[in-house]
Amino acid sequence: EAQVTQNPRYLITVTGKKLTVTCSQNMNHEYMSWYRQDPGLGLRQIYYSMNVEVTDKGDVPEGYKVSRKEKRNFPLILESPSPNQTSLYFCASSPDSFLAYEQYFGPGTRLTVT
Amino acid sequence: SQQGEEDPQALSIQEGENATMNCSYKTSINNLQWYRQNSGRGLVHLILIRSNEREKHSGRLRVTLDTSKKSSSLLITASRAADTASYFCATDRGETSGSRLTFGEGTQLTVNP
Repeated sequence: EAQVTQNPRYLITVTGKKLTVTCSQNMNHEYMSWYRQDPGLGLRQIYYSMNVEVTDKGDVPEGYKVSRKEKRNFPLILESPSPNQTSLYFCASSPDSFLAYEQYFGPGTRLTVT
Repeated sequence: SQQGEEDPQALSIQEGENATMNCSYKTSINNLQWYRQNSGRGLVHLILIRSNEREKHSGRLRVTLDTSKKSSSLLITASRAADTASYFCATDRGETSGSRLTFGEGTQLTVNP
């Protein structure tokens, strides 16, 4: 089944404890992206990747890191999480780096930082 | 500020009625997409309309695009309780890279049985 998977789905952590949220797609898509969703703010793009080893900042990249060593994986790293990073996070992929086609979204990761 | 902004923020209708949601954006675009999200779940793509298209249909969905007014509308006909969800428009930046999508804050649609 074609899909985007994220792990974990739920995570409660403490300020400053490094964490990684994994994202994997099995559709051989070139483009992958991370978003965060907050009430009243909609979805905001954190980072995106147009292909392996090519990543770039979105609208809200501060406090996050990403890497794209393989085409299928695009992990989101929070080196020192803070409470303002409490949010619902979505990974998405698209076959085309120029977004001429739809994005496929993962199920989301709900992160709470205390 | 958001590139795409939906209107209204919330809409409540009875089953069988039509639902219309609007999206406005600020800069030129290559295409505009509509997505649906059930509460707390991942977004699901509904329809993509390119900047050179004016109208597109998919089942009970009808999307229009007016590039002169920088606006789009999503019409859901003969609504069902299962259509209850949040609906988002997303626009690219119209740049040569075209690789960044901006989402609006969404319209929360409630269809009452």
